[in-house]
Amino acid sequence: GQNIDQPTEMTATEGAIVQINCTYQTSGFNGLFWYQQHAGEAPTFLSYNVLDGLEEKGRFSSFLSRSKGYRYLLLEELQMKDSASYLCAVMDSNYQLIWGAGTKLIIKP
Amino acid sequence: IAGITQAPTSQILAAGRRMTLRCTQDMRHNAMYWYRQDLGLGLRLIHYSNTAGTTGKGEVPDGYSVSRANTDDFPLTLASAVPSQTSVYFCASSGTSGPTDTQYFGPGTRLTVL
Repeated sequence: GQNIDQPTEMTATEGAIVQINCTYQTSGFNGLFWYQQHAGEAPTFLSYNVLDGLEEKGRFSSFLSRSKGYRYLLLEELQMKDSASYLCAVMDSNYQLIWGAGTKLIIKP
Repeated sequence: IAGITQAPTSQILAAGRRMTLRCTQDMRHNAMYWYRQDLGLGLRLIHYSNTAGTTGKGEVPDGYSVSRANTDDFPLTLASAVPSQTSVYFCASSGTSGPTDTQYFGPGTRLTVL
């Protein structure tokens, strides 16, 4: 079956940097997505990678290297408002998104 | 309005009852989706529609039906609710069903089946 794995929970300190990894086993690959979901709210789009490389959006960056097996979301200069779940999703060969269970990120002062 | 709306926000339902969750988008997106989100699991696709007039089954379609009579609306119906359908339901849409199109989510419906 298809599967997305990411850490269940991570804790970091305000102002620090955190890397959230994602591994996947899917039928095909048409891109890797990252979404942010605050408790009780809807997921919101953060970034998308289909080619190897780095996508930077302010304090958030997503990196993909399929050949080396690196897929991660990097959050810099952490703020308390970054406390949320971060969802990794892969688009498979049928153009359907397969979702991970999410990584709950806890930011401490 | 701008984006996707869902109704109701939350609902408590007796087992065996019929229930329709409503979803409306005003972005003229062709593709729409219904997901359920359960604790400890990733979002799971229930049904989808690539364009008005067409629908398809996702990963967990049993017990649910959808229709797509027009571009804007994509209701999800539970014909006879069961407790295992207790979940948070999200509707989403994207411009197309292609790989580069971001999915935008509605605020969700929290459904409890007793």
